[in-house]
Amino acid sequence: SAVISQKPSRDICQRGTSLTIQCQVDSQVTMMFWYRQQPGQSLTLIATANQGSEATYESGFVIDKFPISRPNLTFSTLTVSNMSPEDSSIYLCSVGTSSYNEQFFGPGTRLTVL
Amino acid sequence: AQSVSQHNHHVILSEAASLELGCNYSYGGTVNLFWYVQYPGQHLQLLLKYFSGDPLVKGIKGFEAEFIKSKFSFNLRKPSVQWSDTAEYFCAVNPRGQNFVFGPGTRLSVLP
Repeated sequence: SAVISQKPSRDICQRGTSLTIQCQVDSQVTMMFWYRQQPGQSLTLIATANQGSEATYESGFVIDKFPISRPNLTFSTLTVSNMSPEDSSIYLCSVGTSSYNEQFFGPGTRLTVL
Repeated sequence: AQSVSQHNHHVILSEAASLELGCNYSYGGTVNLFWYVQYPGQHLQLLLKYFSGDPLVKGIKGFEAEFIKSKFSFNLRKPSVQWSDTAEYFCAVNPRGQNFVFGPGTRLSVLP
């Protein structure tokens, strides 16, 4: 398994601002994923981030709103842009060796938008 | 679109009771199956997984799950729950070559 850390662990932001969330893994991994877990709900995949290529976004999520970087095999960032209260959620980073092996999750970033 | 359903939103049990949490999925092809647990204030952890072979898989902390292909089900079981099993449980389905789809989760409360 991999050890995953996320920064910040939580934040309270104002409407219209942006927040960048960092995900750091203790080993090189092929695939990194970003999920959203809205209050009381399950996980929804935002995008898959592979090093050296553009992130692949799921239906309902766009790059302008959730730009992602993956500069190397141990690090990724997710930015939540032009935030609104509807973006209040827990954002989770996960890693896997492929799209069909188990994924290991970071502790999450709890975002509150006022 | 593929979907994953979990039978119960919230289950309340007394300690030592037996547990079964239902999970059904709609995808007809080959799938990998997972159960994840999220203890209060902690991150998601893998409980167990099924890729192929014996449809009865054993995981950590005394949990097991049975894959029944004909029923598109992957139910989680534990013969005797403890207070420390209080958590949110998520079933996840991973159709081969595609991304994970998570169920809505089942909140388990175990009364001491």
